[in-house]
Amino acid sequence: NAGVMQNPRHLVRRRGQEARLRCSPMKGHSHVYWYRQLPEEGLKFMVYLQKENIIDESGMPKERFSAEFPKEGPSILRIQQVVRGDSAAYFCASSRLHRDRVTNEKLFFGSGTQLSVL
Amino acid sequence: AQTVTQSQPEMSVQEAETVTLSCTYDTSENNYYLFWYKQPPSRQMILVIRQEAYKQQNATENRFSVNFQKAAKSFSLKISDSQLGDTAMYFCALTPHGSSNTGKLIFGQGTTLQVKP
Repeated sequence: NAGVMQNPRHLVRRRGQEARLRCSPMKGHSHVYWYRQLPEEGLKFMVYLQKENIIDESGMPKERFSAEFPKEGPSILRIQQVVRGDSAAYFCASSRLHRDRVTNEKLFFGSGTQLSVL
Repeated sequence: AQTVTQSQPEMSVQEAETVTLSCTYDTSENNYYLFWYKQPPSRQMILVIRQEAYKQQNATENRFSVNFQKAAKSFSLKISDSQLGDTAMYFCALTPHGSSNTGKLIFGQGTTLQVKP
């Protein structure tokens, strides 16, 4: 059973371009979480999605950032008109069920996409 | 607001020795989970150990154990018999137990651990 797959591993964009980051959750997982890690910092929650629904986007910047998790295919984190401050490692995590006190499902992380904005 | 603080940016330990990484947190929740994650140079986030706040017994996983002091809101990680493969960045994290989004982890800033031969 393959783990959480993220691609590309490294992505270089020039200011003003669009960045698309992909995340394929573990098989059987229908809950996806995106995190951002700035240099020398811990991960910061961005958004939580289930299939075709955004559940919690409290950590998403209000502009230029969007996320989706379609019925078929990977989850996509999209950053429009990138700026240098968007340079970071973006991590995706998935779980089989919504984590609650009964199931206490574990969160599994991918290896991240390193976005560099020139 | 919930916060997690790791006050040691860098630590080092000799191979086979024991090291303790510190973590303090703040939350108004009564029930929550605490975690230690390891991030080696490969960047993969690996769960090391997990503690449920309503359990008084400290969690252990082989060479890894925690000292959970709920009243003091402290959650330190002890690594015994350190190995070269333990070299990594270690993150302490918190998530509320009963919220609608328990995948929303609050991470500390991280501690870089270097195990020396």
